[in-house]
Amino acid sequence: GIQVEQSPPDLILQEGANSTLRCNFSDSVNNLQWFHQNPWGQLINLFYIPSGTKQNGRLSATTVATERYSLLYISSSQTTDSGVYFCAADGTGGFKTIFGAGTRLFVKA
Amino acid sequence: DTGVSQNPRHKITKRGQNVTFRCDPISEHNRLYWYRQTLGQGPEFLTYFQNEAQLEKSRLLSDRFSAERPKGSFSTLEIQRTEQGDSAMYLCASSGGIYRARGFRDTEAFFGQGTRLTVV
Repeated sequence: GIQVEQSPPDLILQEGANSTLRCNFSDSVNNLQWFHQNPWGQLINLFYIPSGTKQNGRLSATTVATERYSLLYISSSQTTDSGVYFCAADGTGGFKTIFGAGTRLFVKA
Repeated sequence: DTGVSQNPRHKITKRGQNVTFRCDPISEHNRLYWYRQTLGQGPEFLTYFQNEAQLEKSRLLSDRFSAERPKGSFSTLEIQRTEQGDSAMYLCASSGGIYRARGFRDTEAFFGQGTRLTVV
């Protein structure tokens, strides 16, 4: 099945800094999503982005399906951005969504 | 519709007891998923339903685990004879499916708040 790898595993930022999180996937994908998991465990949808570029406020994402990667950009980071960011992808051969191990982000005030 | 709902939010049980969790998906979604997440890890796929049919099960889902989705609406996940290793967050997600020129495609998945199970 498809494999999903995220980098970096951990990231510490000063408030106001920008960052880029990367997600590599091993096979063609039908769907790709980015989530933010808050301290209570809730997975919050950030982007549904099997290809192309999308922006939502200070966040944007780009998926280059032909090169099998996706990037999540966080600009002007805030302490409330802290948490774990997951990339999840559906391979073309099945229905299950496979998650990466996540990037743990801590934004310092 | 307020999204995917899971009950209970927390469950503490003694080893050997049976537990059952419930998931109510977004009403117009025909696909429903169960995941398990342990501390420091990403969610791991357990099983998937399209309407009432259980179409895929992970090898993680041992014989002690069973999931149902009667009438294609809510779903239950039961764990029999719980073990300490079953302690985890159990997450439910739902999504819709649409037909495109190249076949059936899943749409964006939304997750519930999870049920945190502690086996003592």
